[in-house]
Amino acid sequence: GQQVMQIPQYQHVQEGEDFTTYCNSSTTLSNIQWYKQRPGGHPVFLIQLVKSGEVKKQKRLTFQFGEAKKNSSLHITATQTTDVGTYFCAGRNYGQNFVFGPGTRLSVLP
Amino acid sequence: KAGVTQTPRYLIKTRGQQVTLSCSPISGHRSVSWYQQTPGQGLQFLFEYFSETQRNKGNFPGRFSGRQFSNSRSEMNVSTLELGDSALYLCASSVGTGNTEAFFGQGTRLTVV
Repeated sequence: GQQVMQIPQYQHVQEGEDFTTYCNSSTTLSNIQWYKQRPGGHPVFLIQLVKSGEVKKQKRLTFQFGEAKKNSSLHITATQTTDVGTYFCAGRNYGQNFVFGPGTRLSVLP
Repeated sequence: KAGVTQTPRYLIKTRGQQVTLSCSPISGHRSVSWYQQTPGQGLQFLFEYFSETQRNKGNFPGRFSGRQFSNSRSEMNVSTLELGDSALYLCASSVGTGNTEAFFGQGTRLTVV
């Protein structure tokens, strides 16, 4: 079945440094979503990407969908302590359910 | 508008018992999905319901079942509980299926002893 991988598993950065997490699917995706889960909280939707090569920005966050629609990335510029949490990608194959990646846990040192 | 409501928030059950968890989606949302979250396995998809019909099912044993009512509220049931069923069970609601953002509830923390 479809598998979604994410790297790295953990990332520790100094406040102000940049951060990137990568998501790779074993199959071509119809769309991909990104979620953030704060410690002790529940996943919160960030963005959805649908088109091949699509790039979307939300303030300091940049999301990219690969040309082959099998990979995606999330880049945070100049991290802040409020960025702490686990970032999940969730990929969907046409007509199927979303499959979540294992997540990248980000810690930001002040 | 009110968010996704899951009840109960915490539950302790004994091995062999059964449990029913409830999820009330956001008003107007017709799709409800259930996930199991554990430290080792991450977010694992259980099932998805839309307009009272199961649309997709994850790779879980038959002890895990669910249903959706005409008001879109959903329940999931786990029978013959095992220690390994201890997890955070999350429900997510969305307007439709597949192409819309999902709103997660706070989850039900199930502990099986």
